[in-house]
Parts: sequence; C-alpha cells; structure tokens
Amino acid sequence: AQKITQTQPGMFVQEKEAVTLDCTYDTSDQSYGLFWYKQPSSGEMIFLIYQGSYDEQNATEGRYSLNFQKARKSANLVISASQLGDSAMYFCAMREGPDFGNEKLTFGTGTRLTIIP
Amino acid sequence: GAGVSQTPSNKVTEKGKYVELRCDPISGHTALYWYRQSLGQGPEFLIYFQGTGAADDSGLPNDRFFAVRPEGSVSTLKIQRTERGDSAVYLCASSNRDRSPNEQFFGPGTRLTVL
Repeated sequence: AQKITQTQPGMFVQEKEAVTLDCTYDTSDQSYGLFWYKQPSSGEMIFLIYQGSYDEQNATEGRYSLNFQKARKSANLVISASQLGDSAMYFCAMREGPDFGNEKLTFGTGTRLTIIP
Repeated sequence: GAGVSQTPSNKVTEKGKYVELRCDPISGHTALYWYRQSLGQGPEFLIYFQGTGAADDSGLPNDRFFAVRPEGSVSTLKIQRTERGDSAVYLCASSNRDRSPNEQFFGPGTRLTVL
C-alpha cells in the first residue's frame, strides 16, 4: 500500500479563493509526523507546515493550515486567500517514528496547483 | 544565510559512465540527506548522514550508488556504470536537528540525464 496518497494530480483555483489539497497516509506507528512542502518551477522544496501525530490542535502557519483527522488518516493542506505565487507542486510527506529518530521522509506524488487570475 | 547548494545544476552523461554529484549543506547542519525525484513523482529517500557516517542508506537502489561525507560537511553522491533509469533530479537536504520538527532544508537539485 502507498504510504502517502495524494489523489489530485492537478487543481485550478481562482485567485483569492481557499483551496484544500488532499493527503491520506498509512502507517502502523503511533508516533509520526506529517509535512507539506511546496515545489515551485525552480525546483527547490520549501517547507510549509508540520503536524505531529500527538499534536492535539491542527497546525497553522500564516495562510496555511493543516486539517488533521487522525482516525481517517488524513492531513489535508488548506491555503486561504490563494495568490498567484501559490502556483506550484505541493507534496505531502511523512516521517514514521518519533522526531530525531527515523529521519527518512516518504513523499506522495504531489498535486500541481494553478491559481487563475 | 546561504542555503543548501548543489553542483552541477545539470549533468548529461552517457550510459555506463561514472558521475559525482556534490552537495554543500547549510553551515552548521549536522544531518544531510539525499533524495531522488523522477519525473512526475515525489522525492524518494536515498541516504541520510549524521556527521560523517551514513545513519541510514536503506534507499540506495543498488551497489552502483554510493555517497560519502568525509568531513561532516560536503557530501558527494557517486553513481557508477550509469543507466538510463538513473535519469532524475537528485535533491540534497540538510538539517541541524536542534528543534522539533526536524525540518529538512532542500537544495535546488542536480538534474542528471543519462543518454
């Protein structure tokens, strides 16, 4: 089974609207972490937001928030008030095990987000 | 400050040749990671260094791939007898492991094309 599943290969969203990018994960570990990265056309992976499996509150970072539903094993990224600069590939990733233990990140296949003016 | 840098940015080689890809991590970062990103895919983990030693090399696909980090800073990923299937973008990341979450900072990647 895929450890990280992103079911939306591409999305088109009108500027200033909110957008939700889906991510489901599969792990038997109790301790794990979920990351979202943005990859513009330049190629660099830019860290956006993190959610630990024991975090009780959903993570937020500026216009980014993570809708964490542990029982459903989903960690969707919500971008509010989208901007043209948000156009990029977005990857969901998981670290299995505690922080500072297993360092390997497993990535999904990504979602290409295009913001329409 | 300077981010993670990778050289060369592009490398074209012929099948069967040997290549070296270099990664300069953020100064002071003790951990260094290599990933490979094939077209249309997310990055796949290759190897992780803590200091000079490889702490996890479980992602290296076969013994043609090898990586070193002799002084705990710069790392070189070495690929012997390259194959067309090795064509991908090779990403390097580093982290300082001093706070949670252990965020990995990525470089721009080296695009390897094997003809």
